[in-house]
Amino acid sequence: AQSVSQHNHHVILSEAASLELGCNYSYGGTVNLFWYVQYPGQHLQLLLKYFSGDPLVKGIKGFEAEFIKSKFSFNLRKPSVQWSDTAEYFCAVNSLDGLTFGKGTHLIIQP
Amino acid sequence: GAGVSQSPRYKVAKRGQDVALRCDPISGHVSLFWYQQALGQGPEFLTYFQNEAQLDKSGLPSDRFFAERPEGSVSTLKIQRTQQEDSAVYLCASSLTDRGAGYGYTFGSGTRLTVV
Repeated sequence: AQSVSQHNHHVILSEAASLELGCNYSYGGTVNLFWYVQYPGQHLQLLLKYFSGDPLVKGIKGFEAEFIKSKFSFNLRKPSVQWSDTAEYFCAVNSLDGLTFGKGTHLIIQP
Repeated sequence: GAGVSQSPRYKVAKRGQDVALRCDPISGHVSLFWYQQALGQGPEFLTYFQNEAQLDKSGLPSDRFFAERPEGSVSTLKIQRTQQEDSAVYLCASSLTDRGAGYGYTFGSGTRLTVV
């Protein structure tokens, strides 16, 4: 069975700081990788996804992620965060068994 | 509809009560999923339907949990004799293709169940 590990459960940053959230997965076969965001009181929304091709994926709101196959990683990055980025971020991996989520990272941006 | 619709948005149940949670997926979406999200945790898989067929129910935590999708569209998740540990947000998601295709899912807003 696949598993997804997010290393940081809580992250607090100041506005304009750079962000990197770690994600590692265990499945060794072909995978599709996702980052979802959940703003307070809202539903899960897709930030970005990787299927194949360029391992550097750009998503909405200035987010990007890099797939490193040798490290089984798919870290999320943003060069300069804003207060409105305060949310819960979930890494997810899709395989033949379906979509598996990490436990999430609670990101708080201080103005 | 434009998105995945879940109802009710909030449900408070007394311990031992039965509850039914509804999910209206995006029209034409083949796959439907139920997830359970406990406070401070990521969503955890409960069950998967491809059209009306329940192909995977390995994530259902006990035989008190039952899901159906009789006509391949609307789905209901039923929890019998609710317990406090059932308190969570129950998420429904749908996808245009089968679950292995990996095109991503569209999630509903969830039903927050509180068992008191």
